[in-house]
Amino acid sequence: AQTVTQSQPEMSVQEAETVTLSCTYDTSESDYYLFWYKQPPSRQMILVIRQEAYKQQNATENRFSVNFQKAAKSFSLKISDSQLGDAAMYFCAGGGADGLTFGKGTHLIIQP
Amino acid sequence: GAVVSQHPSWVICKSGTSVKIECRSLDFQATTMFWYRQFPKQSLMLMATSNEGSKATYEQGVEKDKFLINHASLTLSTLTVTSAHPEDSSFYICSAISGSAYNEQFFGPGTRLTVL
Repeated sequence: AQTVTQSQPEMSVQEAETVTLSCTYDTSESDYYLFWYKQPPSRQMILVIRQEAYKQQNATENRFSVNFQKAAKSFSLKISDSQLGDAAMYFCAGGGADGLTFGKGTHLIIQP
Repeated sequence: GAVVSQHPSWVICKSGTSVKIECRSLDFQATTMFWYRQFPKQSLMLMATSNEGSKATYEQGVEKDKFLINHASLTLSTLTVTSAHPEDSSFYICSAISGSAYNEQFFGPGTRLTVL
């Protein structure tokens, strides 16, 4: 993706509740991937979930799911049953073989 | 999963000196490696893309002569920050993909560079 926008600098959620992180993107490519990465304080980038743009079905990985709206260029992440270990920076990213473009990130706080 | 390492994990150097950062794919052949830069509390910015055996492709605004990238083998890419200055202090992260499988980049743990 050429531009990726995350409009929520920080989000807070109670433990065990559900939270949705927003992301919009813009690209001129026809074939691309979208990703959500988690970056804990260690700063190691951890892949949370990925979506192939040509697939209409929303990706799901255990408690993590996306709502991919291709026409609206929206790619939100839903975290169900939030856990303390989910606290981190979350980056939305898009791209392919030419590298990734990242959003500015959302700092997720989990309140016990 | 695939593992990417970086060395060193942190480095402090004096202004004007050069620093080399290594990025290695430990259990796969990385046809393409990427270098990103992350300032404190900011996002990752792609600096350059390197393919084994060819010159790196730099993003707009990245100084080629300051950030030298070499991808000499399928498991090693190096980033050399030449004549480092305090404004080069940052967190540098590499990632790698195998073949044409660009649906996932494997990230290294990053290198924190501090230039005094």
